[in-house]
Amino acid sequence: EPEVTQTPSHQVTQMGQEVILRCVPISNHLYFYWYRQILGQKVEFLVSFYNNEISEKSEIFDDQFSVERPDGSNFTLKIRSTKLEDSAMYFCASRQLQKLFFGSGTQLSVL
Amino acid sequence: AQTVTQSQPEMSVQEAETVTLSCTYDTSESDYYLFWYKQPPSRQMILVIRQEAYKQQNATENRFSVNFQKAAKSFSLKISDSQLGDAAMYFCAYRSSYSGAGSYQLTFGKGTKLSVIP
Repeated sequence: EPEVTQTPSHQVTQMGQEVILRCVPISNHLYFYWYRQILGQKVEFLVSFYNNEISEKSEIFDDQFSVERPDGSNFTLKIRSTKLEDSAMYFCASRQLQKLFFGSGTQLSVL
Repeated sequence: AQTVTQSQPEMSVQEAETVTLSCTYDTSESDYYLFWYKQPPSRQMILVIRQEAYKQQNATENRFSVNFQKAAKSFSLKISDSQLGDAAMYFCAYRSSYSGAGSYQLTFGKGTKLSVIP
């Protein structure tokens, strides 16, 4: 079965540094999403992306965050200047009809 | 705003037995979707089952079934004939039907960790 692929599985960065989390959605899907889960807390919606633009974003998704689909296959989440509170598991997802497919996540640790 | 509550942080079940995971939610909407997702140690979130609020019939997927009580805003997951591979974190989630076509904003509960005892 096709899968959403996320790289890297773990990312460690220093506070204030920029990070890019990468995702390869399932090839014929058109809708893409980022969610995150801070340790011990709920999975939270960040952003949805369709037709090369953001279709919805949450309050968490402030100016420090951006998303991009630089080519036909990758979907990236950039955090411009990381904070300690950005440490979380970040999940990418893509959608076909009413079914959402998640990747295995990238664990981001900000030191 | 919608909220989803899973009151059982951890549950355990003997292999081959049945277990029920609880979920309640709060919403003022009449039409919505409810989901159960499984997160095994591989960390990938996998859809287990989905229920549309306008359907009175409870959804079933093989050994997984739900008890959807719309008036009580309750959505429990029953796993029958539990297997070792069912051990995982289970998340209940809500999605409004009134979202735009591109939106798929899920509101999750905090999860229930299920252990299966051989």
